[in-house]
Amino acid sequence: QVQLVESGGGVVQPGRSLRLSCAASGFSFRIYAMHWVRQAPGKGLEWVAVTSYDGSNKNYADFVKGRFTISRDNSKNTLLLQMNSLRVEDTAVYYCARDSTSLIVVGELDYWGQGTLVTVSS
Amino acid sequence: QSVLTQPPSASGTPGQRVTISCSGSTSNIGSNVVNWYQQLPGTAPKLLIYSNNQRPSGVPDRFSGSKSGTSASLAISGLQSEDEADYYCAAWDDILNGPVFGGGTKLTVL
Repeated sequence: QVQLVESGGGVVQPGRSLRLSCAASGFSFRIYAMHWVRQAPGKGLEWVAVTSYDGSNKNYADFVKGRFTISRDNSKNTLLLQMNSLRVEDTAVYYCARDSTSLIVVGELDYWGQGTLVTVSS
Repeated sequence: QSVLTQPPSASGTPGQRVTISCSGSTSNIGSNVVNWYQQLPGTAPKLLIYSNNQRPSGVPDRFSGSKSGTSASLAISGLQSEDEADYYCAAWDDILNGPVFGGGTKLTVL
């Protein structure tokens, strides 16, 4: 069955960096676009970034552009999110999610991981 | 402030029918399909409705979706206690070039 398992969250000071990972299994990872979505404590869902199935196309929400980088290693079935210059307002649970249709991006997220908590605090 | 607008809360008694609205604009709901996600307390979101009105395998037919113009709605009939959750609408936005979400509606079963 499809499984997405995030890791790498933790407590970090403002201005520092953190790298999140999402290990995928149970499907052909290399043919699906993947997303990161976050949820601040007690708040709603907020899309962060997307990468195409082969990593050739990426897009970001305005509030992370220039600070976060999404990437993937299809040989290791792993999605990554490099987060630099972290701010207090980046505190959230970060979910990785699969785009439902192979080879294209449609923005329909059919499988989600359990999330990893990132806390930015001094 | 979320791009899509939902009521923050909704409620109903067991067996009732409730609807949750979602309002957007021409760049998102007006041009693309709407998806709905259910988030049970303490868990990750789950795709509930896709392509405006389609249910993934395993989702009861008590859940239905519709879309008209720049608005959409989720209906839950025969309300059950296990339906108590947060519900989010979402749609691709052609300007932001990514999916946008509503602020979420907390459904309480009285």
